[in-house]
Amino acid sequence: NAGVTQTPKFRILKIGQSMTLQCTQDMNHNYMYWYRQDPGMGLKLIYYSVGAGITDKGEVPNGYNVSRSTTEDFPLRLELAAPSQTSVYFCASSLDRPYEQYFGPGTRLTVT
Amino acid sequence: AQSVTQPDIHITVSEGASLELRCNYSYGATPYLFWYVQSPGQGLQLLLKYFSGDTLVQGIKGFEAEFKRSQSSFNLRKPSVHWSDAAEYFCAVGPGAGSYQLTFGKGTKLSVIP
Repeated sequence: NAGVTQTPKFRILKIGQSMTLQCTQDMNHNYMYWYRQDPGMGLKLIYYSVGAGITDKGEVPNGYNVSRSTTEDFPLRLELAAPSQTSVYFCASSLDRPYEQYFGPGTRLTVT
Repeated sequence: AQSVTQPDIHITVSEGASLELRCNYSYGATPYLFWYVQSPGQGLQLLLKYFSGDTLVQGIKGFEAEFKRSQSSFNLRKPSVHWSDAAEYFCAVGPGAGSYQLTFGKGTKLSVIP
């Protein structure tokens, strides 16, 4: 039981490039979330999903897109990367509403 | 709108000393409250949660927290800190009615002096 896994662990992008951050959970959780963490700012919700085929925006969705075709996977897409997207990205999942979230190890992204 | 304030950005304690990390929240109804811990380079791990009932809740790793409605607080405590407790601690509240979003505080970094 691996829990929540994220790939890659680190990535450097040039301005304007695109990439997909992968997230997979093997706990059969219905709910999945993407957060970004900036120093001294806590965690901000980017997008979330309440089940396969259902996604919605969180607090800071601009510049990102998501999809949820299966229960296990919840990839985050960055189009036209900007320096403001330099951050650490965490994926999380929960069985029910976000009462107990399980977090992945994070992806550290730098856009230069 | 719900919000969380962690007044202390950084706290340093000696190993074996007691610890209290402060958390104040703003929420329209009975809150759901959480404490998470993040070790360097790691994701967040849930320490404990409060939904209802006994206002003193026990968590993992010897931590406890007390919900005080009159003070809108949910402070985290540990009677004797170990060097391995050095990490960043986040308080969170929510979700509100019709929402799926937890609101996190900005975190308190704990350093432990051997």
